[in-house]
Amino acid sequence: GENVEQHPSTLSVQEGDSAVIKCTYSDSASNYFPWYKQELGKRPQLIIDIRSNVGEKKDQRIAVTLNKTAKHFSLHITETQPEDSAVYFCAPDNYGQNFVFGPGTRLSVLP
Amino acid sequence: DGGITQSPKYLFRKEGQNVTLSCEQNLNHDAMYWYRQDPGQGLRLIYYSQIVNDFQKGDIAEGYSVSREKKESFPLTVTSAQKNPTAFYLCASSNTEAFFGQGTRLTVV
Repeated sequence: GENVEQHPSTLSVQEGDSAVIKCTYSDSASNYFPWYKQELGKRPQLIIDIRSNVGEKKDQRIAVTLNKTAKHFSLHITETQPEDSAVYFCAPDNYGQNFVFGPGTRLSVLP
Repeated sequence: DGGITQSPKYLFRKEGQNVTLSCEQNLNHDAMYWYRQDPGQGLRLIYYSQIVNDFQKGDIAEGYSVSREKKESFPLTVTSAQKNPTAFYLCASSNTEAFFGQGTRLTVV
């Protein structure tokens, strides 16, 4: 099955700085690469995703980059704000065969 | 809200009792999933189903059972064989993106 790792496990940044979270995976057949955000006590929600035929995707302050050869993809958040504080999960997938999530990265944005 | 509904939101169970958590979706998704989340931890896959009348064990299936008699419904039973059932349980469905229910917080008393 898919082996998914995230680094770092916790990340603290000053408000306005950038944050980068990396996800590595083992299944070379993975072709869908999403990032989910889970605020305290709430359900995870998709914030950005990318497919294997695209190297980078950007949506306002967040972006995802994919290196399929090296089997990793990263979440980039620029100009961080307090509301970005949450746990972020990656979930590389192959057409919904086995939805395995990474262990999560806890991001704290300090005012 | 979001097309996937879990009930109840909070559930208390006595030791030795089985309990069933409900999950219903109206998104017409084939795939449905159950996850367990312990405080400060990630999402661990319990069971998943890609199609009606078929389901597969995830990483932590022991002490749990599921059924998938209808496309819309994927109930999870926490049996008395589950040694430490107190946790937050999340149901999800997907086409590609996963949509989550609001979760059920189960406490064994």
